[in-house]
Amino acid sequence: AQSVTQPDIHITVSEGASLELRCNYSYGATPYLFWYVQSPGQGLQLLLKYFSGDTLVQGIKGFEAEFKRSQSSFNLRKPSVHWSDAAEYFCAVGGVSGTYKYIFGTGTRLKVLA
Amino acid sequence: DVKVTQSSRYLVKRTGEKVFLECVQDMDHENMFWYRQDPGLGLRLIYFSYDVKMKEKGDIPEGYSVSREKKERFSLILESASTNQTSMYLCASTTNKIEAFFGQGTRLTVV
Repeated sequence: AQSVTQPDIHITVSEGASLELRCNYSYGATPYLFWYVQSPGQGLQLLLKYFSGDTLVQGIKGFEAEFKRSQSSFNLRKPSVHWSDAAEYFCAVGGVSGTYKYIFGTGTRLKVLA
Repeated sequence: DVKVTQSSRYLVKRTGEKVFLECVQDMDHENMFWYRQDPGLGLRLIYFSYDVKMKEKGDIPEGYSVSREKKERFSLILESASTNQTSMYLCASTTNKIEAFFGQGTRLTVV
């Protein structure tokens, strides 16, 4: 079955530290992969996306993600976290079964310590 | 910028009421979606629509219906609200590149 797994429900990092949020997917074809961020009480905002080509993609707010087909992973990274990065992060697979449907992970809530 | 607007940020309704959640997008997107978001469960697809007057069930359609009479508007209807429908509801629309744009969400409480 198609699925997206975010194994970390909560992550706490200190401001200025590096960050990696994990995402693993199960999908038969080449996936369209996304990371979204949700600030408290808000909708989701696209951070970055991978469709094809270079497996390291850059996004907004200094985030990047690397697609690793062999590991079925699409981990999100940031070299230096800012307090404003505290939010919930969702990994998603899009274009499921040739449609415009998405499968979302259950999210990782990031807390940033000052 | 693409804008997806949900008519209400917060709603409180009584059990058994008929509830309408409205969503409007201004970018002429073909595809629109309604999701429900609950802690620990992520986003779950309720219904989606590829075109006017067209709808398809998502993963959790029970207790919901939708209406898409105009391309820019996609409404979610709770026929008879129940307490287990208390949740955050998110509307989204997508381009032909699949990238989804989300509204701000409607937090619905059913009492």
